[in-house]
Amino acid sequence: SQQGEEDPQALSIQEGENATMNCSYKTSINNLQWYRQNSGRGLVHLILIRSNEREKHSGRLRVTLDTSKKSSSLLITASRAADTASYFCATFQGAQKLVFGQGTRLTINP
Amino acid sequence: EAGVAQSPRYKIIEKRQSVAFWCNPISGHATLYWYQQILGQGPKLLIQFQNNGVVDDSQLPKDRFSAERLKGVDSTLKIQPAKLEDSAVYLCASSLGRGGLPQDTQYFGPGTRLTVL
Repeated sequence: SQQGEEDPQALSIQEGENATMNCSYKTSINNLQWYRQNSGRGLVHLILIRSNEREKHSGRLRVTLDTSKKSSSLLITASRAADTASYFCATFQGAQKLVFGQGTRLTINP
Repeated sequence: EAGVAQSPRYKIIEKRQSVAFWCNPISGHATLYWYQQILGQGPKLLIQFQNNGVVDDSQLPKDRFSAERLKGVDSTLKIQPAKLEDSAVYLCASSLGRGGLPQDTQYFGPGTRLTVL
């Protein structure tokens, strides 16, 4: 079963622009995580935001969490070609089972 | 620090054949996971080990899939016999698995891309 659903499914922008991806989930959570996957480096953990946090930054990444709406967003500022990848949100179902959404495919055009 | 290692990276087999994948987690990580990722979808957990015990295998098709982690370190995932729908990337991940903090960050290997013809 899928806990998170990303929106949009695909996003194409010009290098230097900002990219925003959204994730909605169904049940209450302790934390929400974002992962990136590209063909060269596999699946990489980007950032974790806890349920008592509303916003978190890491470099060019900004994640927000709205537990009342059961939604999160990932903003990548000043995008680069290397940001081309699929981005997944993931939450825990129960204590230990990490469940991923279907992902957003981001393409950065030069 | 070495990451999660997986082999082989690619495998092509005929349906009804058998195949095995190997995973070596990050040193000291107690928890090991196998995920199946079908093209265009997110990873789906197949089985989770804590040391050499199974924590969750609710989504493992046990009639054809098996996994073991005999010494609490390396793990193998086997498919016997394979079906066309098993074509996917099989990802192994590991985490520290500290007691009382099960929701650790998971570190993923590069995956094995399986094609069943």
